[in-house]
Amino acid sequence: GQSLEQPSEVTAVEGAIVQINCTYQTSGFYGLSWYQQHDGGAPTFLSYNALDGLEETGRFSSFLSRSDSYGYLLLQELQMKDSASYFCAVEDSGGYQKVTFGTGTKLQVIP
Amino acid sequence: DADVTQTPRNRITKTGKRIMLECSQTKGHDRMYWYRQDPGLGLRLIYYSFDVKDINKGEISDGYSVSRQAQAKFSLSLESAIPNQTALYFCATSDDVITGELFFGEGSRLTVL
Repeated sequence: GQSLEQPSEVTAVEGAIVQINCTYQTSGFYGLSWYQQHDGGAPTFLSYNALDGLEETGRFSSFLSRSDSYGYLLLQELQMKDSASYFCAVEDSGGYQKVTFGTGTKLQVIP
Repeated sequence: DADVTQTPRNRITKTGKRIMLECSQTKGHDRMYWYRQDPGLGLRLIYYSFDVKDINKGEISDGYSVSRQAQAKFSLSLESAIPNQTALYFCATSDDVITGELFFGEGSRLTVL
């Protein structure tokens, strides 16, 4: 099975940098994804790491270390609109490629 | 129009009633999923389907059933609703074999009294 843990809440200041961590225990997966969900909305895909290392997409970067069973999402130049919940997720490599989500981190950006 | 459409968006029902949540998609994706979201528990997989003839249980399938009527339609049923099935339900689709990116519907909020 898959288990992904994240901090429940993080608060950061507008314009700053924040890192949201994801630690996992899995029986095998293809890659680590990140999703953003604003209150009342649907989750939307942000990024994907198939290999160890850093992937950058604009203000957002995502990192994966398979040896440490750890990944993170880095948000730079925080904006008020970044206030949302963020979920890490893995795609199971056990034949069916089902997607399992972490518990989610609620990010509050303050002025 | 949304690519992934869920109906109803909101539903209040009573314990013991049968409820069906419907999902239709225009993305042409083969894979469809039903997730349940509860505060502090993230998104938990109920059922998933990779084509019309392939349906699989997720981590919390007890009390739920599904039907894949066509490639574009995937319905979730609660045969006899109970209060702890009160939650926000999301349908999602995917066709990306590299990233597994999921495209979600807007959600169906179900309240069981």
